[in-house]
Parts: sequence; structure tokens; C-alpha cells
Amino acid sequence: AQTVTQSQPEMSVQEAETVTLSCTYDTSENNYYLFWYKQPPSRQMILVIRQEAYKQQNATENRFSVNFQKAAKSFSLKISDSQLGDTAMYFCAFIPFGNEKLTFGTGTRLTIIP
Amino acid sequence: GAVVSQHPSWVICKSGTSVKIECRSLDFQATTMFWYRQFPKQSLMLMATSNEGSKATYEQGVEKDKFLINHASLTLSTLTVTSAHPEDSSFYICSARDPGGGPKQYFGPGTRLTVT
Repeated sequence: AQTVTQSQPEMSVQEAETVTLSCTYDTSENNYYLFWYKQPPSRQMILVIRQEAYKQQNATENRFSVNFQKAAKSFSLKISDSQLGDTAMYFCAFIPFGNEKLTFGTGTRLTIIP
Repeated sequence: GAVVSQHPSWVICKSGTSVKIECRSLDFQATTMFWYRQFPKQSLMLMATSNEGSKATYEQGVEKDKFLINHASLTLSTLTVTSAHPEDSSFYICSARDPGGGPKQYFGPGTRLTVT
């Protein structure tokens, strides 16, 4: 069974600063996908970024980037130039190739301070 | 982009009654949908996988007779909470699998259920 661990229940940073959210996972699979989802106060789940395990290059989406370390089974999210709208719960999620079920981490509550 | 809707967005019901939550894929066909439950300040817990035209697959510990799932068409899955009790109060979220067959899931906005 796969597990996803987010060791930071809460974080807060000043607006415009950079913040990194950590995520580790445990799996015996070699091919899989990793995701970061954002859940703002509206509770709508929003996909932030996605990484395929077979790709060595770290995924980036504008201000969001990941540091994917496959050997260490680590998948951290870096948010640059943080904005007030980044305030949300962030969930790391994992899914093996050929599987349908997402496994979510416990989440990190991020607050951006004006 | 693919959009998933849920109805109602919130519902209050009395203990012992049943309530139905709808999940619709608005601009694509979804052969597979998922139902999650989320307690306050907690993560999403997968309840069941809903496949069009067949019985849902429930996760361990989820009572299939209490949480009835029907996926009668390629755009609609329903979750019925039968004989609801206060402990069933929660936030229920559905998602639909990427119609292109990829791993991505598109999430609905969720339904807040309060049982009094």
C-alpha cells in the first residue's frame, strides 16, 4: 500500500516570500504520478502541479515548482512570490501507473500574511 | 476544461431521513467517478469508485448499504446517504477521471451535509 506524508500541518509566510511545502511517500512502484492540489476556503480542489515519475526534470507552473527526488521519495512544492490568494490547504497526492485511486497526504494549511 | 458539478452544495436533513447528492460531468463523459468524504481540517478519504453501468466498488470500512452509489449514465453519478445520522455530517466531494484516460481527476465543488 502507498502512503503519503506531509509533515507540516501548518505554515505561514509573509506575502511575496517563498515557501516550500514538503511531501514524502512510500511505494514499491517504479512508475507513478505525483500531484499537488490546492483547496482554498471555497473547498474546491484545484490541481496545482503534476509530475511523472519517469521524468527527471522537475515540473514548473508559473510561480509553482517542485523538487522531485525519486530515490528519496520526496516531492516538495515551492511557491515563489507568494500571494494572498495562495492561502489554502495543500494536499500532496500519489497514483501509480495504471491505477485509478489517488492517495492523499494529510495536508498542509498555508497562510499568506499581508 | 473539464467541469464537474455537484448538487446540492449544502443540505440539512433530519436524522433518519435519506439524502441524495448528484455529481455531473458537464462537458465530458465520465465512465469512472469517485466519491470522497472530508471531515473538518482533514484529508480526503476515498469512499468508493463509481463505474458507469456497473456496481460501485467500496473502500474497506465504508457501508455500501448506507452509502448507495448509482452511476446510471456517462455524465451522472449519485450518492444517497440512507437513514442519515449526525455522524454522517461531513463534506462529500466527487471527482471524475480524465476522459482521455490519464491519471488526472476533475473535482466537484463538494456538498456539505448536516444531519440534525
